Amino acid sequence: GAVVSQHPSRVICKSGTSVKIECRSLDFQATTMFWYRQFPKQSLMLMATSNEGSKATYEQGVEKDKFLINHASLTLSTLTVTSAHPEDSSFYICSASYRGSGNTIYFGEGSWLTVV
Amino acid sequence: SQQGEEDPQALSIQEGENATMNCSYKTSINNLQWYRQNSGRGLVHLILIRSNEREKHSGRLRVTLDTSKKSSSLLITASRAADTASYFCATDATENQGGKLIFGQGTELSVKP
Repeated sequence: GAVVSQHPSRVICKSGTSVKIECRSLDFQATTMFWYRQFPKQSLMLMATSNEGSKATYEQGVEKDKFLINHASLTLSTLTVTSAHPEDSSFYICSASYRGSGNTIYFGEGSWLTVV
Repeated sequence: SQQGEEDPQALSIQEGENATMNCSYKTSINNLQWYRQNSGRGLVHLILIRSNEREKHSGRLRVTLDTSKKSSSLLITASRAADTASYFCATDATENQGGKLIFGQGTELSVKP
């Protein structure tokens, strides 16, 4: 079945630095990818929709200059957390779909970000 | 917020009992999906029910959908300790781009052996 891979699965970074998280579709071309954030004991909150070759669409309240999303190819979307702060520490998870997948959404395993 | 609501927020039962979780949402949907998440892990897709379906079964799982009330329920029968996890409903709204899921707040299920 279709697989979505995220990397890294865990990352620790210093406050003020930037960190990049990758989301790859391993055996299909993902026309659209979605990025979610999940704080401990909370639900997943959609951050942005990433379409290949175009700018990401951010949800209300999500800072696009802080959370840079790039979907340069049909198999890779990246989320860069810029100038990270401890409050950005969270679980980030991506999902992907493709034309013809019907209603099936494929989720990555998620990435734990800890900002110290 | 588009986010739906789930109740109960937490549920603790004994092994062998049934667990019922409810989900309410706000918009018209194409489908509603239920996911499971073990602590600190990714999501596991459990079941998808389309807007024109009222009930669906998969093993020990039974999902109902009432579009007039904008609500859904997930029933896990004969629960096991391994069912301990958080369960989320997610809606694929008709107004949104395909694949864009809005998650409910989740129910934390604890099944005691």
